[in-house]
Amino acid sequence: EVQLVESGGGLVQPGGSLRLSCAASGFSFRTYWMHWVRQVPGKAPVWVSHINTDGSTTDYADSVKGRFTVSRDNAKSTLYLHMNSLGDDDTAVYYCAREGISGFDLGYWGQGTLVVVSA
Amino acid sequence: DIQMTQSPSSVSASVGDRVTITCRASQGITWLAWYQQKPGKAPKLLIYAASTLQSGVPSRVSGRGSGTDFSLTINSLQPEDFATYYCQQSYSIPYTFGPGTKLEI
Repeated sequence: EVQLVESGGGLVQPGGSLRLSCAASGFSFRTYWMHWVRQVPGKAPVWVSHINTDGSTTDYADSVKGRFTVSRDNAKSTLYLHMNSLGDDDTAVYYCAREGISGFDLGYWGQGTLVVVSA
Repeated sequence: DIQMTQSPSSVSASVGDRVTITCRASQGITWLAWYQQKPGKAPKLLIYAASTLQSGVPSRVSGRGSGTDFSLTINSLQPEDFATYYCQQSYSIPYTFGPGTKLEI
């Protein structure tokens, strides 16, 4: 069974940093692209970033480019999101997701971790 | 960025009804997915490639469309179908979601 478990969320002050982790199990982590998606409760999800199988290719939403960095450790089956210069509008539930069968959809999602940016 | 719109934003229906939700992309796309989300839960993939049912999704759910216009239909609504539905394009970066359609009893 595919399992994705996010951690690392919490309360952080504006301008601060946070690192989110996503522990994967139940599948061959090193063979799938992985994504981060965030969602303000009551709003639509927003795609944040993705990373290819060996970490050599990453893409970001404009709103986080230059501030967030996605990485992965295939030996540990873990995905990371390093977030710097956090602002109020980064407050959201952050989900990690695995690509689905088609390779172009988000087939499996974690339960999410809440990030609150507030003084 | 490709903008996704959905209609209606909300719809009320009863158990046993059929409901159709539409999604429109601001330019032609070739990859569209539909997700269902219940309160406090992560989105769940229902359909990918516009019309392919994800494993385990009941056959009363179907999707169709191409280019810029897509639709999701749920036949014979069941209590577990009442949720919010999102379309999402993965044709180009950044992947974008529609604003959602809330299906209410």
